[in-house]
Amino acid sequence: KAGVTQTPRYLIKTRGQQVTLSCSPISGHRSVSWYQQTPGQGLQFLFEYFSETQRNKGNFPGRFSGRQFSNSRSEMNVSTLELGDSALYLCASSEGLAGSSDTQYFGPGTRLTVL
Amino acid sequence: AQRVTQPEKLLSVFKGAPVELKCNYSYSGSPELFWYVQYSRQRLQLLLRHISRESIKGFTADLNKGETSFHLKKPFAQEEDSAMYYCALSGRRNAGNMLTFGGGTRLMVKP
Repeated sequence: KAGVTQTPRYLIKTRGQQVTLSCSPISGHRSVSWYQQTPGQGLQFLFEYFSETQRNKGNFPGRFSGRQFSNSRSEMNVSTLELGDSALYLCASSEGLAGSSDTQYFGPGTRLTVL
Repeated sequence: AQRVTQPEKLLSVFKGAPVELKCNYSYSGSPELFWYVQYSRQRLQLLLRHISRESIKGFTADLNKGETSFHLKKPFAQEEDSAMYYCALSGRRNAGNMLTFGGGTRLMVKP
């Protein structure tokens, strides 16, 4: 099976703009999670989507939002970009099984730079 | 609140030496713990999980609930083990997935 793919791989934006990142999960996976990775804060959970519904949410401001489509592909959006939003954004997909440890498979990430 | 702590940012050992990467956690429920690894220029990938109780690439990790630890061990380090290692805890709120990661430990195995 093809792995998790993320587009674009690199992005440069300026403060105040908005950005949309895309994630295509492994075929058959219904859960997609997003993480932000920065040198200062490390890997932080943003949110998880399962069957087009947000199932879990991390402690990020409302400028960060996401959605999932019927084919399980997911997008995340960041509005009114700030310099501190510069980070590697990772997407992870899993089967989304309940009641068991669900292995998450990570994509290569999208490197966002805010100038 | 759940928290994962990896006290060492960098661990440097010689090839053939034993390795122990420390991980401590804080979680009010019954934890599900994982070790993820990221080799140079590769994506983050699962190394092992405590429920499986398996050995992957010679690495093992035992969950110690009394000490709230999940240390990763390998008796004889190899150069190809050099990578970034992350301990993670799964909080299964709302029957979903959310991983809380530690800050990571960079393992350098010298020849």
